[in-house]
Amino acid sequence: AQSVAQPEDQVNVAEGNPLTVKCTYSVSGNPYLFWYVQYPNRGLQFLLKYITGDNLVKGSYGFEAEFNKSQTSFHLKKPSALVSDSALYFCAVRDNSGNTPLVFGKGTRLSVIA
Amino acid sequence: EAEVAQSPRYKITEKSQAVAFWCDPISGHATLYWYRQILGQGPELLVQFQDESVVDDSQLPKDRFSAERLKGVDSTLKIQPAELGDSAMYLCASSFILGSTDTQYFGPGTRLTVL
Repeated sequence: AQSVAQPEDQVNVAEGNPLTVKCTYSVSGNPYLFWYVQYPNRGLQFLLKYITGDNLVKGSYGFEAEFNKSQTSFHLKKPSALVSDSALYFCAVRDNSGNTPLVFGKGTRLSVIA
Repeated sequence: EAEVAQSPRYKITEKSQAVAFWCDPISGHATLYWYRQILGQGPELLVQFQDESVVDDSQLPKDRFSAERLKGVDSTLKIQPAELGDSAMYLCASSFILGSTDTQYFGPGTRLTVL
């Protein structure tokens, strides 16, 4: 069965500093990986996804993520954090063996401090 | 930019009552998903439709939950009777095709509180 781990419940970073939100996954086949962001009382907004190809994926709002197959990781990064980036971030995975469901991690709350 | 619409945004009900949530996916999206998100956790899939057909409802508590997408466009999720443990955010998502690589786009959700 596929699974996702987001080891940090909370990440705090100063505005202007780089940020990283960690994600590791487990699938039986090849992974398809996604990052979403959720603001209070809102649905999830798609940020980026890795399907195949270049291990560094660029997405919305200046975010990027690096796929590392050997470490089974897909960490979300941004070079310079903004206060408006404060939100709940979810990593999700599906494998390529048919119509498997998208499985989400528990989420990481990012707090960017001015 | 096209969005997934959901209503109501908030619903408060007493246990044993019936509730219904509505979702209108992005135009042209054949696949529709209903998720439940309990506070402090990630969304969990309840049911998935391809057009009007159910593709996966293995995690739907069928004794009290039902979902339909009669014309293959909008969808309704019903709970009858509601229980205290059903308090959660109910999210609808849609994607253009049925496939592992396709991006799912989410609506704003319906927050259900059962008293």
